[in-house]
Amino acid sequence: KNQVEQSPQSLIILEGKNCTLQCNYTVSPFSNLRWYKQDTGRGPVSLTIMTFSENTKSNGRYTATLDADTKQSSLHITASQLSDSASYICVVSAKQAGTALIFGKGTTLSVSS
Amino acid sequence: GAVVSQHPSWVICKSGTSVKIECRSLDFQATTMFWYRQFPKQSLMLMATSNEGSKATYEQGVEKDKFLINHASLTLSTLTVTSAHPEDSSFYICSATTTGGYTFGSGTRLTVV
Repeated sequence: KNQVEQSPQSLIILEGKNCTLQCNYTVSPFSNLRWYKQDTGRGPVSLTIMTFSENTKSNGRYTATLDADTKQSSLHITASQLSDSASYICVVSAKQAGTALIFGKGTTLSVSS
Repeated sequence: GAVVSQHPSWVICKSGTSVKIECRSLDFQATTMFWYRQFPKQSLMLMATSNEGSKATYEQGVEKDKFLINHASLTLSTLTVTSAHPEDSSFYICSATTTGGYTFGSGTRLTVV
């Protein structure tokens, strides 16, 4: 069964600190993996997208890694800001006809001052 | 970048009435759009795939007569929740495929009282 598991479920950190969010998946055949940021009451906004051959991709203070062998991905946030408080969703796409996006439940990040 | 505009952002309606949610691709044509539903602290759940000029494809368990989808043009898809009940209260999000991947609307918070 295609699944995407994220950990931790929630996380609280102090402003300025770094953090790493995890995503494990069992999606096959794998096409790509995306990280989205979703503010409360808003739609998800894309942070990164990685294909099978990509190991690391950065977007400002966000750096995503992908290990296709172990089917794991991480999202590292550097020098966190209050505005980073949001839900971070890992989405894996499968190579098959039609829509095949498998969503994780997300990690809720709270950055406090 | 590609923008998907979703309206309204929030709506409150009485039980038994119908509510229409619009999803527009502002600077690109979207032959396919997707409608999701999201409950608090849960993943986005795909409800249906909207295809321009043809019938929508509904996911298993989604009542097509209750959630009417119309994709009459390349830039507009609508979701109508008919005879709404309190259990239909949720966060509804649309998305469209673009060259950069999937772009999501800002979501609609529906509350049925």
